[in-house]
Amino acid sequence: DAGVTQSPTHLIKTRGQQVTLRCSPKSGHDTVSWYQQALGQGPQFIFQYYEEEERQRGNFPDRFSGHQYPNYSSELNVNALLLGDSALYLCASSFGLNTGELFFGEGSRLTVL
Amino acid sequence: AQSVAQPEDQVNVAEGNPLTVKCTYSVSGNPYLFWYVQYPNRGLQFLLKYITGDNLVKGSYGFEAEFNKSQTSFHLKKPSALVSDSALYFCAVRDPMGTNAGKSTFGDGTTLTVKP
Repeated sequence: DAGVTQSPTHLIKTRGQQVTLRCSPKSGHDTVSWYQQALGQGPQFIFQYYEEEERQRGNFPDRFSGHQYPNYSSELNVNALLLGDSALYLCASSFGLNTGELFFGEGSRLTVL
Repeated sequence: AQSVAQPEDQVNVAEGNPLTVKCTYSVSGNPYLFWYVQYPNRGLQFLLKYITGDNLVKGSYGFEAEFNKSQTSFHLKKPSALVSDSALYFCAVRDPMGTNAGKSTFGDGTTLTVKP
């Protein structure tokens, strides 16, 4: 049973560029949430997708956008990258909008130069 | 708004001794509470949760946590620490009925170091 998979694992971008991160949820899960974890901090909620719609959103600017596909996989897009966007981006899946624990992927480490 | 506080950045214990990692929370309704563990350069792994029922919940790897509603706390405990328990621990809260239902809020983490 595959867990949550994320790609790429590491990437380096320069300021102003755009990045797309991808996530496949755990088998049987239909809800995907994205978190940003800066060094030395806890994960910060970006948004949650369910039934291909954004259901909840944290305090992140519109530069952060996402998508969920019919197979429940998801993408996180960040436009006009800033140095402060450097972080570990974590994808978490669950079954249903508000049930139980989250299952996390290994994360995508983004470095913005 | 919901929030989590982990008052200790670092907890050090000797192997074989009991350990406690503290967590307090703030939420408007009845909370769902979680503990996760993170090893270096890895994602978070679920340890245990409190949804309802018995205030003492047991989880993976011998960990347990006690929900205390009056003190709004959910401290993580283990009777006998192992060196392999050394990691970063996160407490998380979710209000299942509020406007932020579905959003989990995490603390800043506590680094647990178990020395041989």
